[in-house]
Parts: sequence; C-alpha cells; structure tokens
Amino acid sequence: AQSVTQLDSQVPVFEEAPVELRCNYSSSVSVYLFWYVQYPNQGLQLLLKYLSGSTLVKGINGFEAEFNKSQTSFHLRKPSVHISDTAEYFCAVRPPSNTGKLIFGQGTTLQVKP
Amino acid sequence: NAGVTQTPKFQVLKTGQSMTLQCAQDMNHNSMYWYRQDPGMGLRLIYYSASEGTTDKGEVPNGYNVSRLNKREFSLRLESAAPSQTSVYFCASSYANLNEQFFGPGTRLTVL
Repeated sequence: AQSVTQLDSQVPVFEEAPVELRCNYSSSVSVYLFWYVQYPNQGLQLLLKYLSGSTLVKGINGFEAEFNKSQTSFHLRKPSVHISDTAEYFCAVRPPSNTGKLIFGQGTTLQVKP
Repeated sequence: NAGVTQTPKFQVLKTGQSMTLQCAQDMNHNSMYWYRQDPGMGLRLIYYSASEGTTDKGEVPNGYNVSRLNKREFSLRLESAAPSQTSVYFCASSYANLNEQFFGPGTRLTVL
C-alpha cells in the first residue's frame, strides 16, 4: 500500500531563516505529488503540485519543492520564512489510478518565531 | 464563488445520536470527498464520489454513510455516533479524479 512519511512533526525556525520540510513516499511507479497548507482553524489550501516535467516546482507564497525519483522524496523549501507562514503543512500523493484519492502524510507544524 | 461550504462548523453529540454533515460546492466539480483529520494522523479518506450517482469507500468508512444528492451536494451521515468519531471533518471537491482537490473549512465534531 502507498504511504507518505513526513519526517518531522514540528519544525521551529526564526523569521527570515530558510526552511525545509521533508516528505518521502513509498511507490515503485509514477505518482502525482502535492503540498497543502492549513492555517489555524481553516481548511487545506494547495501550495504546489508535481504532475510531470521539471523536477523543481514553484508554488504560492515563495515555496518550492523538488521531486527526487531515486530517493522517492518531495521536500518543500522556502529561502526566507515569515511569521505568517506558521501553519501545518501536509504532503500528499495520488497513486497511479483514476480514482483521484489522495494519501496524506501526518503533517508538519511549522512554527516561525520572531 | 463560495467554493466548498460545510455545515455545521461545530457540533457536540452524545454517544448513539445521529447527525448529517452537509457539504456543497459551486465550482461545477464532478468529484467530491469526505476526510477526517485526527492529530498526528493527517487526513484519512472516509468516502468519495467520483461523479454524480456514484459513491465508494475510502480508507476509514466504518460507521459512516454518504449521499451524493446532486452534482453540488455530498452529505456524510453518522447513524450512531461513537467517541472514536470525534474529529475534524473536511469535505473536498475536484473537477475530475485527476485534478487538485479544493477543501471546505471543516466541521469540528465532538462525541461525548
């Protein structure tokens, strides 16, 4: 069965510092990959997605992620974080089927400190 | 466009009570989904509807039923609530199975 592992449950970082949120998935075939963000007491919002093509994907709010097929990873990065980036971040994978189901990781809480 | 809307926002039930969570989308999406979110477990799919008139089980369907009332609406019913169903419930929709999903604001349910 497919699975997604987010390696850090919490990531504290100071404002204007760079950050990387790690995501690994288990799959021997091609998958679609997503990062979603959830601000406090809100629903999930799509940050970026990888479907095919360039392995470096740029998203909203200055985030980007790199797809690494050999390491089955899709880590999320931002060169300089703001207080407003404090939120929970979810990595998700869509297996190669036509059902549209997403499998989510456990989530990583990004805490940006002043 | 309101996007995906969910009602109610909060609900407290006693064990054994029933209730229906409502979800509607105004984006003309074909597919709709119900997830539950529990601490440390991410989101888990309860049921989904690939198109109007079809529903299928997800990862954690036990204790729930769904109805795809029309293209816009997809409801989730708890027939006999249990404390293990205390969670935050999210509805989502997508234009087709392979497109990104858009999420509602969630319903926070507590079962005592």
